[in-house]
Amino acid sequence: DQQVKQNSPSLSVQEGRISILNCDYTNSMFDYFLWYKKYPAEGPTFLISISSIKDKNEDGRFTVFLNKSAKHLSLHIVPSQPGDSAVYFCAATGSQGNLIFGKGTKLSVKP
Amino acid sequence: SQTIHQWPATLVQPVGSPLSLECTVEGTSNPNLYWYRQAAGRGLQLLFYSVGIGQISSEVPQNLSASRPQDRQFILSSKKLLLSDSGFYLCACSGGTQPQHFGDGTRLSIL
Repeated sequence: DQQVKQNSPSLSVQEGRISILNCDYTNSMFDYFLWYKKYPAEGPTFLISISSIKDKNEDGRFTVFLNKSAKHLSLHIVPSQPGDSAVYFCAATGSQGNLIFGKGTKLSVKP
Repeated sequence: SQTIHQWPATLVQPVGSPLSLECTVEGTSNPNLYWYRQAAGRGLQLLFYSVGIGQISSEVPQNLSASRPQDRQFILSSKKLLLSDSGFYLCACSGGTQPQHFGDGTRLSIL
C-alpha cells in the first residue's frame, strides 16, 4: 500500500502561471517532507522541504504547504518557467532515514 | 558539498548474467547510503540502505544484494539478472541534517 501518493501523473501549465503539485500521505507519524525535481536520465535533485511543525516553507519561486490534519502537502511554483518542466517527486522520511517517494508528477510548462 | 559518482551510466545485460553497480561518495564521512530503483511508470523504490561499513538492510527481498566494503563505497550486485530487474538505479547518501543527495543513476536494460 502506498504511503505517499501523487494522484496526478502529469500537469501542464502556461509559462508565467502558477503550478500546483499535490501529494497525500497516509502515515501520521511522518514528520518531514521533501520535494525533489528530476530530469530524464539524471538523479533527483532536492528542491525544498518542510517539517511537520510548520505549515509553510518558501524558497524563491517555490513554496510548500503542509496540512497535517488532511495529510496533504502541495508545492506551488510561481511564476512557472519552461525550465521547470520535469518530474516532481514528493517524499516523506521513513524510520531509517530513507525516503518514501510518491510516483511523481510530470510538469510541462508551455512557453 | 557531497558528490556521488555512479557508473556505468547505462548498461545492457542479458538475462541470467551477473551485475555489479558501483557508487562512491565524496565530501562527507560516515554517510548513510541508499540504493533506489525506478521501474518504468513507477516511483522510486528503496532497495537497500547502509548506516556503516558492512551494515546492509534490505527493504525488498529479491535477487539483488548490496555491500559496503568502504565508508564511501556502496555496491549493488546480482548473480543472475531477471527481466524484471530492468530500471533506473539510483544511489543516494545523507548525513546529519542534510537531505538525501542522489547520483545521476544507471539505466539498466535486461535483454
